[in-house]
Amino acid sequence: EAGVTQFPSHSVIEKGQTVTLRCDPISGHDNLYWYRRVMGKEIKFLLHFVKESKQDESGMPNNRFLAERTGGTYSTLKVQPAELEDSGVYFCASSQGGPGTNEKLFFGSGTQLSVL
Amino acid sequence: GQQLNQSPQSMFIQEGEDVSMNCTSSSIFNTWLWYKQDPGEGPVLLIALYKAGELTSNGRLTAQFGITRKDSFLNISASIPSDVGIYFCAGQPISDSWGKLQFGAGTQVVVTP
Repeated sequence: EAGVTQFPSHSVIEKGQTVTLRCDPISGHDNLYWYRRVMGKEIKFLLHFVKESKQDESGMPNNRFLAERTGGTYSTLKVQPAELEDSGVYFCASSQGGPGTNEKLFFGSGTQLSVL
Repeated sequence: GQQLNQSPQSMFIQEGEDVSMNCTSSSIFNTWLWYKQDPGEGPVLLIALYKAGELTSNGRLTAQFGITRKDSFLNISASIPSDVGIYFCAGQPISDSWGKLQFGAGTQVVVTP
């Protein structure tokens, strides 16, 4: 079974440019999460999709970040325009099951974003 | 907001030694999780703890969910070179939906032969 796949693995862009990150969750997983780790700090929650709906987007830093999950399959996270402080590793995770099931989260390998 | 304090930040140990790390929180969690991240990979779940006082082992790993529900520790016994990596604690706040985890800043473990 394929795991959570993220693309690209690395992205280097200049301040002001746009970048789109993609996440393919494990097939059949309704829950999809985006997390971010800024250099040396904790991994922080960004948002949670249940199928195509945003369940919780309280962790999104500001309106330069836009996440979508059309059709409830893969998800994209777009940063426009990118700022220096957006640099970090963006992780995607997915899990099966609904509320109360305490289903294990499976993480992708992450996208290392560097904004210069 | 809530904050998880994970310590130590890094550890340099010799092969065969035991490793211990811990996390504390200012708030109560109903689940504690321990993850390991290998270079170039995403975090992988090592141990999940669901009840206060619970002590769980996974091979050479042992973790406990503190009685106060505000802390947890992870021990690795007889370390080997493949134990190298970053270990993260994570807690599931009572008030948040499942999967909205709070992570510690990680403990970098380096094992020397």
